[in-house]
Amino acid sequence: DAKTTQPPSMDCAEGRAANLPCNHSTISGNEYVYWYRQIHSQGPQYIIHGLKNNETNEMASLIITEDRKSSTLILPHATLRDTAVYYCIVRVLNTGNQFYFGTGTSLTVIP
Amino acid sequence: GAGVSQSPRYKVAKRGQDVALRCDPISGHVSLFWYQQALGQGPEFLTYFQNEAQLDKSGLPSDRFFAERPEGSVSTLKIQRTQQEDSAVYLCASSLELGAMNTEAFFGQGTRLTVV
Repeated sequence: DAKTTQPPSMDCAEGRAANLPCNHSTISGNEYVYWYRQIHSQGPQYIIHGLKNNETNEMASLIITEDRKSSTLILPHATLRDTAVYYCIVRVLNTGNQFYFGTGTSLTVIP
Repeated sequence: GAGVSQSPRYKVAKRGQDVALRCDPISGHVSLFWYQQALGQGPEFLTYFQNEAQLDKSGLPSDRFFAERPEGSVSTLKIQRTQQEDSAVYLCASSLELGAMNTEAFFGQGTRLTVV
């Protein structure tokens, strides 16, 4: 299974961009990078995913390096509601297609 | 329904008791996953269904854990003879896989199981 490495915690000032890094140096060519977040006492929520091109949606942007060994999730204007644990996941390609979560990055948005 | 629904939201079981946790996935979703999340940890994979077929149960921690999805919709996770280490939040997720990798999974709010 491709593993991911994330910093355990980060702070970000409200209104500023939050940049959350993720290393996935063993990723295979056909594996996607997914980001989910989990707000306290809720189930994980999908944010964005990508294969090799940068992606943007209404929630965030995903920047994947050319060698695909790392990526960055960008929340352009962090709000207090973005305080959560953010998980970077590499999707394993097998019949299970399960998501392997690590311990994630606990992001705290500071007023 | 609009999302993945799990019941009960909270369950307290005495050690040795059997419990059954229910998951109602989003209508039409082919894939269904169960995860276990201990306090302060990320979710850990338990098992995966594609329609009614249980294709992967490699994450089930012991033979006391059993999951089923008999009609390819609602799923039940059963834990027999519960032990204190089974205390966790049990999350269910569903996705519209149809063989494509680039689909997202929708998670329920989970069932918090406390074994006393």
